[in-house]
Amino acid sequence: NAGVTQTPKFQVLKTGQSMTLQCAQDMNHEYMSWYRQDPGMGLRLIHYSVGAGITDQGEVPNGYNVSRSTTEDFPLRLLSAAPSQTSVYFCASSIPSGRATGELFFGEGSRLTVL
Amino acid sequence: TQLLEQSPQFLSIQEGENLTVYCNSSSVFSSLQWYRQEPGEGPVLLVTVVTGGEVKKLKRLTFQFGDARKDSSLHITAAQPGDTGLYLCAGNSGGSNYKLTFGKGTLLTVNP
Repeated sequence: NAGVTQTPKFQVLKTGQSMTLQCAQDMNHEYMSWYRQDPGMGLRLIHYSVGAGITDQGEVPNGYNVSRSTTEDFPLRLLSAAPSQTSVYFCASSIPSGRATGELFFGEGSRLTVL
Repeated sequence: TQLLEQSPQFLSIQEGENLTVYCNSSSVFSSLQWYRQEPGEGPVLLVTVVTGGEVKKLKRLTFQFGDARKDSSLHITAAQPGDTGLYLCAGNSGGSNYKLTFGKGTLLTVNP
């Protein structure tokens, strides 16, 4: 049972470097999202998608890009990493319930450190 | 941005004690979810409540949604060390909005 798979699990970057966090789900979920989790800040929504070809901004989108070319994949791109982007990143997917997100299924997280 | 305030932020108790954690907002939510997160893992859904005044029970856990759909509580009876974790509430505002807003969480430690 793969569920939501995130790679890599750990990454260290230097300021200004770019990278992509990968997220794949095998549950045919329409909704996918990226959150970041920081101590004392809870989970904050970065970007989300309600289907292939459709993306929208969350609460903290600056510095991040996303695309949704297939139902299964939702990569998160950091174009020029900054120390403020040091965090644990979670990808989540769901079958929307009406106009609500429904139950979110989370990956195990990707811990990113920007030096 | 709709805010969800959780209290207490930290809670350390002995095995067998009862506890309640709270999730409050000034905004109305169409539904509210509770998740539990263990170290090194993603959150896992415990329950979803959608009706004002609704009470749901999951073994020793009791969840309540406020009548006005602005607040919720989680009560654990006879806590066990396996209940240790970060408890997060999350709300959907409804409308055409697919943004799920999370509280900052309550970190519960149950000591044997």
